[in-house]
Amino acid sequence: TQLLEQSPQFLSIQEGENLTVYCNSSSVFSSLQWYRQEPGEGPVLLVTVVTGGEVKKLKRLTFQFGDARKDSSLHITAAQPGDTGLYLCAGADSSNTGKLIFGQGTTLQVKP
Amino acid sequence: GAVVSQHPSRVICKSGTSVKIECRSLDFQATTMFWYRQFPKQSLMLMATSNEGSKATYEQGVEKDKFLINHASLTLSTLTVTSAHPEDSSFYICSADIAYQETQYFGPGTRLLVL
Repeated sequence: TQLLEQSPQFLSIQEGENLTVYCNSSSVFSSLQWYRQEPGEGPVLLVTVVTGGEVKKLKRLTFQFGDARKDSSLHITAAQPGDTGLYLCAGADSSNTGKLIFGQGTTLQVKP
Repeated sequence: GAVVSQHPSRVICKSGTSVKIECRSLDFQATTMFWYRQFPKQSLMLMATSNEGSKATYEQGVEKDKFLINHASLTLSTLTVTSAHPEDSSFYICSADIAYQETQYFGPGTRLLVL
């Protein structure tokens, strides 16, 4: 069974601080997605990484896919209150059913 | 592109009634849609995979007679919560994937409250 361990599960920081969220697995994923979800809404796709070692940037967010495609990280620079939300990593299930394996999620609160 | 809608966004019903939730892909065709359930501040829990023109595949522990799924067209899947009870109260989210992509696009979710 493929599992994604996401950490930390909760993070409360001050505006302007940096943070990193990790997603780790013992399994290889062909691709990995990061989503952000606000209360009462559906998850919104931030990025998809598919190549081992790949780094993608989205303004102050930097996403990295591990060389072995077993882990990924999300780094936010100079966090702002608007970054507050639930961050989810998800990997494509190897059974080729289209299913995603989700991490436990990281609830981020950025205080002004 | 890749917009998924859900209807209704919120529903309150009495215990014992059935509730139908619709999931539509607005600007693409989705052969596969997924239904999730989410509790507060937790990750998404996959309930079932809905394939157009065939029976849905349910995850372990999800009652198929309780949560009826119909995927009648390439743009519409429905989830019916039959004989709803208070413990069925939750946030239900659907998603759709585009053929050959390993990315799902999510609907805005439906908040169900069973009294």
